[in-house]
Amino acid sequence: GAVVSQHPSWVICKSGTSVKIECRSLDFQATTMFWYRQFPKQSLMLMATSNEGSKATYEQGVEKDKFLINHASLTLSTLTVTSAHPEDSSFYICSAREGDRGFLETQYFGPGTRLLVL
Amino acid sequence: AQSVTQPDIHITVSEGASLELRCNYSYGATPYLFWYVQSPGQGLQLLLKYFSGDTLVQGIKGFEAEFKRSQSSFNLRKPSVHWSDAAEYFCAVARPDSSYKLIFGSGTRLLVRP
Repeated sequence: GAVVSQHPSWVICKSGTSVKIECRSLDFQATTMFWYRQFPKQSLMLMATSNEGSKATYEQGVEKDKFLINHASLTLSTLTVTSAHPEDSSFYICSAREGDRGFLETQYFGPGTRLLVL
Repeated sequence: AQSVTQPDIHITVSEGASLELRCNYSYGATPYLFWYVQSPGQGLQLLLKYFSGDTLVQGIKGFEAEFKRSQSSFNLRKPSVHWSDAAEYFCAVARPDSSYKLIFGSGTRLLVRP
């Protein structure tokens, strides 16, 4: 099946620094990528949706200036957490979808990146 | 309003026993329904999905789910659980009034007793 990778798998940073997380579709071209956030023992919450070459669409309540998303190619999307603070500590998961049938296409999920901000 | 509810935070079953994980949704019409499994170190994997047609859906790894409109439910079942099935299971819905974005339940952690 299709594979989505994330890098790094975990990161620890100091408060105030920025962290970049990469999401790659390894064997398919992702027309759409999604970024989710998962708190311990809670569900995945969609943060934003991005289509290659266009600006990401953020969900209500998600700060677009704090969580910068770039979908520069059909196989790569990046999430940059700017000026990270301890409350940004979480598990960030990306997913990717190919094709042009929208939600009818299967989403493939990456393994996640655990961020700890000290 | 919560779109999808998984009432069981965790469930423990013995290996070889049958399994049923509950999922209820709230929506006037029939949403599109999914079950995903999340294992440590791995991405969420789609087990099965229901869009329309036969209400009993077969998935991978021996799982099946039944859509019951009258109960607004989409419960996941497996006749005989294996130790490797221990994981977190998420039910999800996609609704037209939410642009068909996946909305996940809170998950059910499955523990398998030897």
